[in-house]
Amino acid sequence: DAKTTQPNSMESNEEEPVHLPCNHSTISGTDYIHWYRQLPSQGPEYVIHGLTSNVNNRMASLAIAEDRKSSTLILHRATLRDAAVYYCILRVFNTGKLIFGQGTTLQVKP
Amino acid sequence: EPEVTQTPSHQVTQMGQEVILRCVPISNHLYFYWYRQILGQKVEFLVSFYNNEISEKSEIFDDQFSVERPDGSNFTLKIRSTKLEDSAMYFCASSGQGGLPEAFFGQGTRLTVV
Repeated sequence: DAKTTQPNSMESNEEEPVHLPCNHSTISGTDYIHWYRQLPSQGPEYVIHGLTSNVNNRMASLAIAEDRKSSTLILHRATLRDAAVYYCILRVFNTGKLIFGQGTTLQVKP
Repeated sequence: EPEVTQTPSHQVTQMGQEVILRCVPISNHLYFYWYRQILGQKVEFLVSFYNNEISEKSEIFDDQFSVERPDGSNFTLKIRSTKLEDSAMYFCASSGQGGLPEAFFGQGTRLTVV
């Protein structure tokens, strides 16, 4: 399984944008880039995914480097509720399993 | 919004006992998963299930574990002869046709083996 590297922790101020980086230098052509988050005492929650192009949804944006070896999850205006562990996961096209790393713990300050 | 529900939310069992963790996936989903998270550690994949059979399993998912979809709505994880190290949060998840794009997770069952 291809591996991702994320910073252990990040801090943000409320209502400011947050850029969460992820390196995945060994990504293969069929790997999708998925982001999940886990709020305290809850199950993981899907955030966004992409293959090659940048993606936007109601929760966040995903910027994917041209060589696909890195990506950035963008929260446009962080709220206190966005404090969570964010996981960047490479998901192989024909398998459903998710391999979670340690993720990035995001703290949001009021 | 449809959701994955898990019962019970917390189960305490004695070492050596069998436990069954229950999950009701989202109704039109076809792919089902179990994950676990030992306290303070990362979420670990256990097993995926599709078309009434296991499609993939991890090294953790040994003969002590089994999964079943006994009817059209429930998906269960059975742990035989529980050990202290089985204490963890167990998450059920489901995903739709083709297994993509996203998996929906339940709130988890906290299993405590004493």
